[in-house]
Amino acid sequence: QKEVEQNSGPLSVPEGAIASLNCTYSDRGSQSFFWYRQYSGKSPELIMFIYSNGDKEDGRFTAQLNKASQYVSLLIRDSQPSDSATYLCAVGWGSNYKLTFGKGTLLTVNP
Amino acid sequence: EAGVTQFPSHSVIEKGQTVTLRCDPISGHDNLYWYRRVMGKEIKFLLHFVKESKQDESGMPNNRFLAERTGGTYSTLKVQPAELEDSGVYFCASSPRTGGDPEAFFGQGTRLTVV
Repeated sequence: QKEVEQNSGPLSVPEGAIASLNCTYSDRGSQSFFWYRQYSGKSPELIMFIYSNGDKEDGRFTAQLNKASQYVSLLIRDSQPSDSATYLCAVGWGSNYKLTFGKGTLLTVNP
Repeated sequence: EAGVTQFPSHSVIEKGQTVTLRCDPISGHDNLYWYRRVMGKEIKFLLHFVKESKQDESGMPNNRFLAERTGGTYSTLKVQPAELEDSGVYFCASSPRTGGDPEAFFGQGTRLTVV
């Protein structure tokens, strides 16, 4: 059974701080790693994907992958109240994009 | 460009009835996926179409669920007969042909309540 684990939160950070979201996965054969953001009642929206060990940066977001530890994280710099949402970690295999999701972490950024 | 569209947004049906959910993917996307989120649980994969062919239906819960994608365009997911445990949010997603960027675009989901 392939599993993806996330701390459900809520994670609360002040505006301007760095928010750190973490995710672990059980299957060492996992090849692709995704972070989705979901506002209440809305569709999941892809923020970042990462394939290789190390860091990948896109604006205020940095994804970090450590395959040896089976760990992937998302850092949000200069957090804004508009970043308040549920963040979903998802893991994929091969090229067919079938994803296994974690339950998500609720992030609240306080003004 | 229109995103992934799902109909209806909400559906409340009685146990034993039939419900059909529809998904219109982004035009030109060969890959179409159905996922489901049951309350308190994670989003789970149901099945994957490549054009009109079922590529992987390993996540379908049982034979009360039937998915189709006639002509490789829109898809329907029928639940017949519905049971209480089928309640949840059903998401559809689409992505371009295999080998391209791995971004799967999700619809807003259909919230199904079986009473």
